Amino acid sequence: DTAVSQTPKYLVTQMGNDKSIKCEQNLGHDTMYWYKQDSKKFLKIMFSYNNKELIINETVPNRFSPKSPDKAHLNLHINSLELGDSAVYFCASSLGGAGETQYFGPGTRLLVL
Amino acid sequence: QKEVEQDPGPLSVPEGAIVSLNCTYSNSAFQYFMWYRQYSRKGPELLMYTYSSGNKEDGRFTAQVDKSSKYISLFIRDSQPSDSATYLCAMSRGGYQKVTFGTGTKLQVIP
Repeated sequence: DTAVSQTPKYLVTQMGNDKSIKCEQNLGHDTMYWYKQDSKKFLKIMFSYNNKELIINETVPNRFSPKSPDKAHLNLHINSLELGDSAVYFCASSLGGAGETQYFGPGTRLLVL
Repeated sequence: QKEVEQDPGPLSVPEGAIVSLNCTYSNSAFQYFMWYRQYSRKGPELLMYTYSSGNKEDGRFTAQVDKSSKYISLFIRDSQPSDSATYLCAMSRGGYQKVTFGTGTKLQVIP
């Protein structure tokens, strides 16, 4: 069974479109994260939720809106996609805070044309 | 200046070599230090985890933290082709504070 899963794995879309990425974890963890990894492999935190509550919100454009319907799911909706949004988006989860082991999903490769 | 600096490489070594990977950081509040390994087109996975200063060994891997110098290292002994991956250092103040990652060092172990 996959611990942290993301859908879709690949997303190719036009500039200006709106898209969503879904993430689910079956580890019973309380904290979930969204990271963005650019072409140079730099991994940067975007958001973090603990028990459905937003606890980390980095300097991310308002076009990005996370939603956590329950503690096992964390979705990411992106409005008005731009070329610079092209990256790999990773979902992760941990039992408690960021000082604990984070388990990453396989990533969603987003390409904006 | 970035909070965490890591040489991106690439680093190529022959099989069996000892590999040394390093990161420096500027935030003295970091308490938790991690090394993640990322294979091509996969998500990162935790390799080593250290709290505060000191050494930690796990099989062929040794992690060292020197908080006085703000410097962390990962040593890989008897490197194998299967160790070929990108190695990301990461650190955190703990609690629910964010984890800050280095840019990653790409390692290739040549058979």
